[in-house]
Amino acid sequence: KQEVTQIPAALSVPEGENLVLNCSFTDSAIYNLQWFRQDPGKGLTSLLLIQSSQREQTSGRLNASLDKSSGRSTLYIAASQPGDSATYLCAVRLTGGADGLTFGKGTHLIIQP
Amino acid sequence: EAGVAQSPRYKIIEKRQSVAFWCNPISGHATLYWYQQILGQGPKLLIQFQNNGVVDDSQLPKDRFSAERLKGVDSTLKIQPAKLEDSAVYLCASSLGWSGTSGETQYFGPGTRLLVL
Repeated sequence: KQEVTQIPAALSVPEGENLVLNCSFTDSAIYNLQWFRQDPGKGLTSLLLIQSSQREQTSGRLNASLDKSSGRSTLYIAASQPGDSATYLCAVRLTGGADGLTFGKGTHLIIQP
Repeated sequence: EAGVAQSPRYKIIEKRQSVAFWCNPISGHATLYWYQQILGQGPKLLIQFQNNGVVDDSQLPKDRFSAERLKGVDSTLKIQPAKLEDSAVYLCASSLGWSGTSGETQYFGPGTRLLVL
């Protein structure tokens, strides 16, 4: 059974800092890995999707890397802003069969102005 | 482009009552998912539809939960009877592609927050 772990569970940093969120998964047979953002009382917004054959994806100040063999992914946020405050969720999709996602518990991020 | 719509946004019921949630996916999206998110946890897949057929319902508590997707568009998720542990946010998501395709982003609705007393 696939398990996804996210570290740290919560993080508070001053505005302007660069930061790294970590995600690990137990089964390396994945189709892809996604990072989502969840704001209070709202649904999930997809930030980055990395295919299993890719090493990283970038979007603006966000960069996600994937090391499938070691079962790890990182989300790097550059020059953090208060608007980045949210819960960040990592999710993997397994190969074969149905394509529902398996999520981690998330990292609750607070950027202090 | 309109996003995934869900209703109601909030629901409070007593245990042993029944409740139903509704989801309208993005137009043209073949695949629809229902997830349950308990406070402090990541979402857990309950059921996945491909058009109006069930692809995966292995984590759906079938003794009390049921779901349908009539005509391959809207979907309803029902709980009968509800238990205290069903208190959670129920998220609906949709994606364009067929099951088994890679690279398909899932688009999530705002969720229905259920409190069972």
